[in-house]
Amino acid sequence: SQKIEQNSEALNIQEGKTATLTCNYTNYSPAYLQWYRQDPGRGPVFLLLIRENEKEKRKERLKVTFDTTLKQSLFHITASQPADSATYLCALVQYNNNDMRFGAGTRLTVKP
Amino acid sequence: KAGVTQTPRYLIKTRGQQVTLSCSPISGHRSVSWYQQTPGQGLQFLFEYFSETQRNKGNFPGRFSGRQFSNSRSEMNVSTLELGDSALYLCASSLDSGATTGELFFGEGSRLTVL
Repeated sequence: SQKIEQNSEALNIQEGKTATLTCNYTNYSPAYLQWYRQDPGRGPVFLLLIRENEKEKRKERLKVTFDTTLKQSLFHITASQPADSATYLCALVQYNNNDMRFGAGTRLTVKP
Repeated sequence: KAGVTQTPRYLIKTRGQQVTLSCSPISGHRSVSWYQQTPGQGLQFLFEYFSETQRNKGNFPGRFSGRQFSNSRSEMNVSTLELGDSALYLCASSLDSGATTGELFFGEGSRLTVL
């Protein structure tokens, strides 16, 4: 069966450290993988997209990698800040399919 | 540019009733997707509409239905409500589909409580 697994429900780190979140998938052939941020009581907000033929994408303090052999994406937040505390969701879109499927999310807490 | 608007934001229903939720996408966006979010299951895909046609459907029973109007506004309906339907229902819009344009723009959601 198809699965999208984010490695942990919750991740706690100290301010200034790098947060690394993992997204693993099974029985998908993703054309794209995306990362979203969701704050409590709000809808998700798009952060980054990475295509199947791309290895890495960066945006300010964010970095995403995509390894189709390992079937895994890593999401990094460098120099983390308490304001980065939120739930982070990965999402896949497959070839020949227009719907986007989400992982359960990882709740990140950055402590001052 | 106004964002995705969902109404109502909160509602309480009893078992057996039905509910209709509304979503107005960003102007110019033609694709609307619906998701159910619960603490245990995360974001579950319900369906996606493009130009008034349902293009994809998730694994939900027939009690869950939707439609899209010519102005791209969308509604979803849940009939014969069950306690397990309590959730945050999120609508997302995009120019075409998330696959081709890159991102979904989500509304704030409609929080449904079934008693």
